[in-house]
Parts: sequence; C-alpha cells; structure tokens
Amino acid sequence: DQQVKQNSPSLSVQEGRISILNCDYTNSMFDYFLWYKKYPAEGPTFLISISSIKDKNEDGRFTVFLNKSAKHLSLHIVPSQPGDSAVYFCAASYNDYKLSFGAGTTVTVRA
Amino acid sequence: DTAVSQTPKYLVTQMGNDKSIKCEQNLGHDTMYWYKQDSKKFLKIMFSYNNKELIINETVPNRFSPKSPDKAHLNLHINSLELGDSAVYFCASSRAGGMPEAFFGQGTRLTVV
Repeated sequence: DQQVKQNSPSLSVQEGRISILNCDYTNSMFDYFLWYKKYPAEGPTFLISISSIKDKNEDGRFTVFLNKSAKHLSLHIVPSQPGDSAVYFCAASYNDYKLSFGAGTTVTVRA
Repeated sequence: DTAVSQTPKYLVTQMGNDKSIKCEQNLGHDTMYWYKQDSKKFLKIMFSYNNKELIINETVPNRFSPKSPDKAHLNLHINSLELGDSAVYFCASSRAGGMPEAFFGQGTRLTVV
C-alpha cells in the first residue's frame, strides 16, 4: 500500500525553465517531507526537506511547497540545469526512523 | 572520504547460497537502515537500528538478519538466497531526535541466479 505517490514517472524540461515535480500522500500522520535525487548506480542524495508546520522551504534553486489540506507537496527547480537530470524521490516520515518513498520521477533537462 | 560506504557494490550468487553485505558510516549518526529497491524501483525500508538496537523490522523474511556490532556498522546477512531477493540494497544512516534526513550508501546490486 503506497502511502506516498508520484504519479508522473517522467518529466522533460528545457534548460533554464522551471521543473515542477509533484507528490501526494495518504497518511495524515506524516509530519516531515523530503526530496531525494538519484543518479544511476548511486545512492539517493538528500536534496531538501520541509516540516509539516511550514508551507514552503527554499534552498537555492530548489523550493518545496507543502499543502497539508490537500496532502500534496511539490518541488520546484528553477532554473533547470543539465546536471539536474536524475530520478527524484519524494519521501515522508512520521517518526525518526522510517522514510516512506514514492516511486520516483525521472527528470530530463534538454539543452 | 565516503560518508556511508557499503560493500560489495555488485554481488552475483547462486540460489541457496548465504551472503553478507557490509555497511559503515563515518558521520557519527545513531541510526542506521537497510532499504531495498526492487525491480519496480520502489525504495522500501527493511530494518532500522538505533544505537545498535533493532527498532524497525518491516515484515522481512527471517532469512534476512541484520547485525550491528557498533553504532557505525550495520551488516546484512542473507541465508538461502532466492531469485526474488535480486534487488539493489541501500544502507543509510541518520541522526536521531527529529532529524529524518537519511544519508545513503551507493547501493549493492544483488543478482541471484
């Protein structure tokens, strides 16, 4: 039973434009949300996170938005760069010891 | 200097064999994990250890036995390997106490033939 869902398996965006990745969750107990980036043959790398007490967190080109009433979060990458081409995983937690992951969205940044 | 390192990176073995994957972290974290990424690319938690104590076991077959000799190490031993065990296994670590950001190793691709 997937409690974290990323319904878009892939996204293609032109270099310099905005990438928007979406994530939905079903468990209202989740209180912390994270995005990870993964290159082939490497482990996931932590990108950005947000606590449920906030609705926005920004770190350089990356911004995460949280809409608790809709159980929805999104990751905005602007401007998109070729090095951003990777698989992005949304994850959620309601305790310190377990992350529930979405299936991932493959982002391709076109030159 | 790798933060979370796991060995080997690739492991090909026959059904019925027993194998181990080792993991070490040099981040000083209290909590370590094993995650499994299956053929559908879902990342699912298997085990979580905090200060060498098992705190999460997500209905993993008892052929899988984690061992944590100290806070910096969490090894995964698998008995009687089956074809369905083929997957990528990721070790991870995090600080305890409201810090769920986990740092992952590079993964071990296990292929059972």
